[in-house]
Amino acid sequence: GAVVSQHPSWVICKSGTSVKIECRSLDFQATTMFWYRQFPKQSLMLMATSNEGSKATYEQGVEKDKFLINHASLTLSTLTVTSAHPEDSSFYICSARETGVWTGELFFGEGSRLTVL
Amino acid sequence: GENVEQHPSTLSVQEGDSAVIKCTYSDSASNYFPWYKQELGKRPQLIIDIRSNVGEKKDQRIAVTLNKTAKHFSLHITETQPEDSAVYFCAATTGNTPLVFGKGTRLSVIA
Repeated sequence: GAVVSQHPSWVICKSGTSVKIECRSLDFQATTMFWYRQFPKQSLMLMATSNEGSKATYEQGVEKDKFLINHASLTLSTLTVTSAHPEDSSFYICSARETGVWTGELFFGEGSRLTVL
Repeated sequence: GENVEQHPSTLSVQEGDSAVIKCTYSDSASNYFPWYKQELGKRPQLIIDIRSNVGEKKDQRIAVTLNKTAKHFSLHITETQPEDSAVYFCAATTGNTPLVFGKGTRLSVIA
């Protein structure tokens, strides 16, 4: 089956530093990947849509200069949380849709738990 | 854009009883409706999905029904077991748009 790998699975950083999270589709190509954020006891909220070779599309209220997304290849998207603050502490989950397959199904990475001290 | 409402937010059932979770969606163009089970600290796991050309789908103890006219779909779990305890999310998409999730239902199965 389609596998999406995400790492790191957890990271602790100091306030003001930047953290990069990688999302890879291991056995399929993904022109489009999605980044979600999940706060404790809440639902998954879409942050942005990552498009290979072009700029990401951000949801309303998500700062594009703070959450940098790069999708340089068909199997890799990265999310960089710049100048992280404690309120950025959350569970970040990426997901990918197989290129050319229009079923709607998404495959999720394992998630990355970010704690900003 | 799509808006998905999910009820109830919490649900407690006795082991062996049935559990039903309901969702409504707003975009009539949505045609794919998955249900996910999420355990604490883990990624959502797809448990069943349904497409708009089907009214009902069943997989062992789990079933999903879809009413396109009313724009609602439901998850039914029969003969619940303690290991069914988790948070369940419904979602909807048109197929080439992002999945929009409901707010989740925390299911507790009491032994």
